[in-house]
Amino acid sequence: QQQVKQSPQSLIVQKGGISIINCAYENTAFDYFPWYQQFPGKGPALLIAIRPDVSEKKEGRFTISFNKSAKQFSLHIMDSQPGDSATYFCAATGSGNTGKLIFGQGTTLQVKP
Amino acid sequence: GAVVSQHPSRVICKSGTSVKIECRSLDFQATTMFWYRQFPKQSLMLMATSNEGSKATYEQGVEKDKFLINHASLTLSTLTVTSAHPEDSSFYICSVPERGAGNSPLHFGNGTRLTVT
Repeated sequence: QQQVKQSPQSLIVQKGGISIINCAYENTAFDYFPWYQQFPGKGPALLIAIRPDVSEKKEGRFTISFNKSAKQFSLHIMDSQPGDSATYFCAATGSGNTGKLIFGQGTTLQVKP
Repeated sequence: GAVVSQHPSRVICKSGTSVKIECRSLDFQATTMFWYRQFPKQSLMLMATSNEGSKATYEQGVEKDKFLINHASLTLSTLTVTSAHPEDSSFYICSVPERGAGNSPLHFGNGTRLTVT
């Protein structure tokens, strides 16, 4: 019940295309869903996060879509660029403690020029 | 700019020795910090919560006597891997809540790559 399942494991997108990464969770107590971007040898960087009171949140080229009834959320990267090539992790937590994150398995994104 | 500073970025040690990793919150005081571990090509797993003024709380399966955590001040937490063995080789990453408290977005340091030979 504590798992967050992420797919796909890897993704190849052409420059300018849309990258879509999906996550699903089981614990209905989860109430905070961030996405992180990680480059090799670096720590993860917070991209965008959402709470269940909204169904969508957009920041620049990054959009989170959230479906509370299905217990799913996804990251959309519009106009994908080669610099977006990285590993992306979704995460979830609840009970007001954003430090205790349950991470998905990660998606390695490659954006081809 | 960087919110969290972690040092060292890489360390190689011999089996049986201890290694200390420092994590500093640069922008604000933090009553809690979090330590995660990431094995190659895997996800991040929370190891423990570092609490200022009290003992760290460890996640299930994490040996508290092996991974010593000290929240030395409101801007510094240290993780000491004691009697390190090759299976402890991993990427250790600390994190700090944005407003220094547990209910704000979490920011990660750049990690420490530990290799135990």
